[in-house]
Amino acid sequence: DTGVSQDPRHKITKRGQNVTFRCDPISEHNRLYWYRQTLGQGPEFLTYFQNEAQLEKSRLLSNRFSAERPKGSFSTLEIQRTEQGDSAMYLCASSSTGGYTDTQYFGPGTRLTVL
Amino acid sequence: KNEVEQSPQNLTAQEGEFITINCSYSVGISALHWLQQHPGGGIVSLFMLSSGKKKHGRLIATINIQEKHSSLHITASHPRDSAVYICAVRRYSNYQLIWGAGTKLIIKP
Repeated sequence: DTGVSQDPRHKITKRGQNVTFRCDPISEHNRLYWYRQTLGQGPEFLTYFQNEAQLEKSRLLSNRFSAERPKGSFSTLEIQRTEQGDSAMYLCASSSTGGYTDTQYFGPGTRLTVL
Repeated sequence: KNEVEQSPQNLTAQEGEFITINCSYSVGISALHWLQQHPGGGIVSLFMLSSGKKKHGRLIATINIQEKHSSLHITASHPRDSAVYICAVRRYSNYQLIWGAGTKLIIKP
């Protein structure tokens, strides 16, 4: 399978714990995006990487959230001191350089439940 | 007011019907995406448009840049088309996708 993969698919944690998610993009894609989707809502943009550089970061990404893409390949999204409001589906997408109109390919998502 | 508005929010139709989902946006864009999300969360990109019309199988997407409006049509709808269809636009100024709230489509056999 050469699509975007995410790990884990599901995560249940207690409030206050730290969690880390991983995204492996399509191998030749240099752009990687993180989105968050809560129940009944469309996805919300969190952050975007081109290669290893984090080029955009939404105001939704509070200081408890950090994302990295150290070698320009896989990316991690860490949430520190989780809160119940962090419960959501976290989606990763990747695309290849193509100006402003590249198509994003989505992973299956990581569903986070904070108890 | 949301920058991307979709209508209807929910749509139930019988198998075989012609389906239209609409998307209006209020910002300057470089491209518009139509995506499909199935129960369980997986998102699939259907179309990316910057002008005109695209067709893939029974799906047709159109965009009118001047009117800031796009439509997704499904011909000869089938129960397997049941999903949430999401419109998302990319601003000129950055790489973010701004998402509509989605249209939940149910096709009954």
